[in-house]
Amino acid sequence: EAGVAQSPRYKIIEKRQSVAFWCNPISGHATLYWYQQILGQGPKLLIQFQNNGVVDDSQLPKDRFSAERLKGVDSTLKIQPAKLEDSAVYLCASSLRGDRVNSPLHFGNGTRLTVT
Amino acid sequence: GENVEQHPSTLSVQEGDSAVIKCTYSDSASNYFPWYKQELGKRPQLIIDIRSNVGEKKDQRIAVTLNKTAKHFSLHITETQPEDSAVYFCAARKSAGTYKYIFGTGTRLKVLA
Repeated sequence: EAGVAQSPRYKIIEKRQSVAFWCNPISGHATLYWYQQILGQGPKLLIQFQNNGVVDDSQLPKDRFSAERLKGVDSTLKIQPAKLEDSAVYLCASSLRGDRVNSPLHFGNGTRLTVT
Repeated sequence: GENVEQHPSTLSVQEGDSAVIKCTYSDSASNYFPWYKQELGKRPQLIIDIRSNVGEKKDQRIAVTLNKTAKHFSLHITETQPEDSAVYFCAARKSAGTYKYIFGTGTRLKVLA
């Protein structure tokens, strides 16, 4: 099966600029996740969708980050305006059904964001 | 709050030796514990997982053990090979609510040839 697709792979922007990331999950996967992975740390959940509804966005900095999953398939994550501390790898993941025990995460290759 | 502690942060072993990575979780409602391997510049990939109704699971050179009472679980790699060198992440997932995954901080394993 095709994996989770993400683009772009790399992005360099200046602080206060805006940026958007795109994710296409594995076909048929209902649950989609956006994680932020700062160098040397584990992935931190930003937002979790079940189909096109938000399940958890408790750690999403809503003053600058936004995400949507229109039609319950692909998703975009936006940062506006970016700060230096947003430099990280942004990982998208999907699972068949987030509420089932044997429904592991499948990750994309991530987008490495550098804010200068 | 929800937390997963992972130790050690770095681990160096000689090729052929065993490696053990340990994680402790805080939320007793967690019921699923996957382990991911992340090679440099690549995506995290699931290598093994265990459910809370099982105490141990093995897949060739990799095994995971779970102690629900103590709320900790461990990854065991035997007969390590240079290609095992990577960062390993444990995670714990809740059985209710948002079914959220909480990740550990990672262990960088180096297998020395």
